[in-house]
Amino acid sequence: KQEVTQIPAALSVPEGENLVLNCSFTDSAIYNLQWFRQDPGKGLTSLLLIQSSQREQTSGRLNASLDKSSGRSTLYIAASQPGDSATYLCAVHPFSYGQNFVFGPGTRLSVLP
Amino acid sequence: SAVISQKPSRDICQRGTSLTIQCQVDSQVTMMFWYRQQPGQSLTLIATANQGSEATYESGFVIDKFPISRPNLTFSTLTVSNMSPEDSSIYLCSALDSSNEQFFGPGTRLTVL
Repeated sequence: KQEVTQIPAALSVPEGENLVLNCSFTDSAIYNLQWFRQDPGKGLTSLLLIQSSQREQTSGRLNASLDKSSGRSTLYIAASQPGDSATYLCAVHPFSYGQNFVFGPGTRLSVLP
Repeated sequence: SAVISQKPSRDICQRGTSLTIQCQVDSQVTMMFWYRQQPGQSLTLIATANQGSEATYESGFVIDKFPISRPNLTFSTLTVSNMSPEDSSIYLCSALDSSNEQFFGPGTRLTVL
């Protein structure tokens, strides 16, 4: 059964720092991996989708990498801003038919001005 | 991408009553899902809403408690029946677009007294 973990659980950094969020999954047979952002009491906003054949995706200050063989993905945020404060979740779409997305517990990020 | 709306955005309900949550997608999608997110927790999949047939429920969720309708490719409803305080959560609707990227609605915050 696929399991997804995220480290750290919480992170507090001063504005302007570059930071890395980690996501690990136990089964490398995945269809894709997606990173989301969630603001308190809100829905999830899709940040980046990495297909299983891809190694990384970039959008603005965000870069996500995927290493299927080691079961890891990282989300790199450059030049962090207070507006980046949110919970970041990764979700894995297992390759097996009938299996649905498995979400990690999230990393709660605070960027201090 | 898909834009998803949900109604209501929040509600406060009495124990023993039922609430129906509506989810509307701005384009036709194959897959729609309903999730629950309890305070401080990650997402738990309730069911996959299947167009024209019964929903597929995850372990621990049953149709009598969470009946789901999906009359077409853009709309679904989730009913939370015979509510108890333990049902207080955020309920989220999501859909997969043609590239298998998952998009979420803004969520419905339910409080049961």
